[in-house]
Amino acid sequence: EVQLVESGGGLVQPGESLRLSCAVSGFGVSDTYMNWVRQAPGKGLEWVSLISSGGTTFYADSVKGRFTISRDNSKATLYLQMNSLRPEDTALYYCAREMDYGEEDDVFDIWGQGTMVTVSS
Amino acid sequence: DIQMTQSPSSLSASVGESVTITCRASQPISNSLNWVQQRPGRAPNLLIYGTSKLQSGVPSRFRGSVSGTDFTLTISSLQREDSATYYCQQTYNTPITFGQGTRLEIK
Repeated sequence: EVQLVESGGGLVQPGESLRLSCAVSGFGVSDTYMNWVRQAPGKGLEWVSLISSGGTTFYADSVKGRFTISRDNSKATLYLQMNSLRPEDTALYYCAREMDYGEEDDVFDIWGQGTMVTVSS
Repeated sequence: DIQMTQSPSSLSASVGESVTITCRASQPISNSLNWVQQRPGRAPNLLIYGTSKLQSGVPSRFRGSVSGTDFTLTISSLQREDSATYYCQQTYNTPITFGQGTRLEIK
């Protein structure tokens, strides 16, 4: 079964770090693009980062220089290392698989259930 | 960055009715427009991709289309389970961006 399961969220103080994990099953974590998307309480969806199958990484301006996306093929896990956390990073963080359906159709076809990050003093 | 302007922000309709949600991109995105449904307390779920293609398992009463720069999601014969927030998403380039969302209430 194709599945994504996030973990690692919690309550941290501003300036602290946290590493999120996304356990992948049913496909290889490096087979396709993988993304992190977040949703602040009561707000909409915000794309955070992606890692391509080749290992190229991209970030939203709001997290560039503070967050790092990576993966471990042997552990079938996607990561998001979050440093210098701010209150505005408080959100539910989802990992999502991105697939190429052809004809410029890139889709987020599988989503995890999310892990909550709260940044507060 | 490509801005996605979605409207309305919320709407209410009855079972059996039809509704339309619109999304406009700030620059050309070809047909790289997806629609995502998020039911309360649940993860997002892909409905439509490539402007008008139905994701496997999604009922045919969901339809996507485009007219000029306006992308639309039409839901016909509304069911109670359609109560959700709907987002458009462009995957034309990074940063990938979403519309602000449309909250649909079923009366």
